[in-house]
Amino acid sequence: SQTIHQWPATLVQPVGSPLSLECTVEGTSNPNLYWYRQAAGRGLQLLFYSVGIGQISSEVPQNLSASRPQDRQFILSSKKLLLSDSGFYLCACSLGRYTEAFFGQGTRLTVV
Amino acid sequence: AQSVSQHNHHVILSEAASLELGCNYSYGGTVNLFWYVQYPGQHLQLLLKYFSGDPLVKGIKGFEAEFIKSKFSFNLRKPSVQWSDTAEYFCATYGGSNYKLTFGKGTLLTVNP
Repeated sequence: SQTIHQWPATLVQPVGSPLSLECTVEGTSNPNLYWYRQAAGRGLQLLFYSVGIGQISSEVPQNLSASRPQDRQFILSSKKLLLSDSGFYLCACSLGRYTEAFFGQGTRLTVV
Repeated sequence: AQSVSQHNHHVILSEAASLELGCNYSYGGTVNLFWYVQYPGQHLQLLLKYFSGDPLVKGIKGFEAEFIKSKFSFNLRKPSVQWSDTAEYFCATYGGSNYKLTFGKGTLLTVNP
């Protein structure tokens, strides 16, 4: 079965600094990959999803970008962090269309 | 675009009480529906899913959900909750999109012993 690795678990970054969060998937090939942001009382907001290498769909215009350089690697980036980028970021994968998603442990980002 | 509404932000129950958490979706076509649970300090886990067929779906840990197409609803139920069911519960759907899995805002369930 697939396993999703996300790191780091927690991160504190100053405003204006760059960001790179990495997610890798083991145990499957050609997964659909997702980045979500979770905020208390606001559920999971879909930020980006990818159905293949180099294919990125952005859901919410913002200060973040995503890339998929390899089949099982999904990276969330920012050139200059804002205070509003603080949050809990979750990577997920699904296999095929309309199937359940599996989630990583998440990264708690605090921008100070 | 599809959306998911969860009616209750925070539900507080005593052990052995029955549970029903509401979920409504907006998409009028074929939907695929999910309930996820997030226990404190843990990652999101799938409780149950509905794709087609029997509208009453049974999941793990004694949970079940009923798909009612006429009401655009997929409510989660459990006859008797336990303290260990304390968690946040999320409803989700693809709702016509192959790959966009949309979540509701979640319901925090607190079960008092």
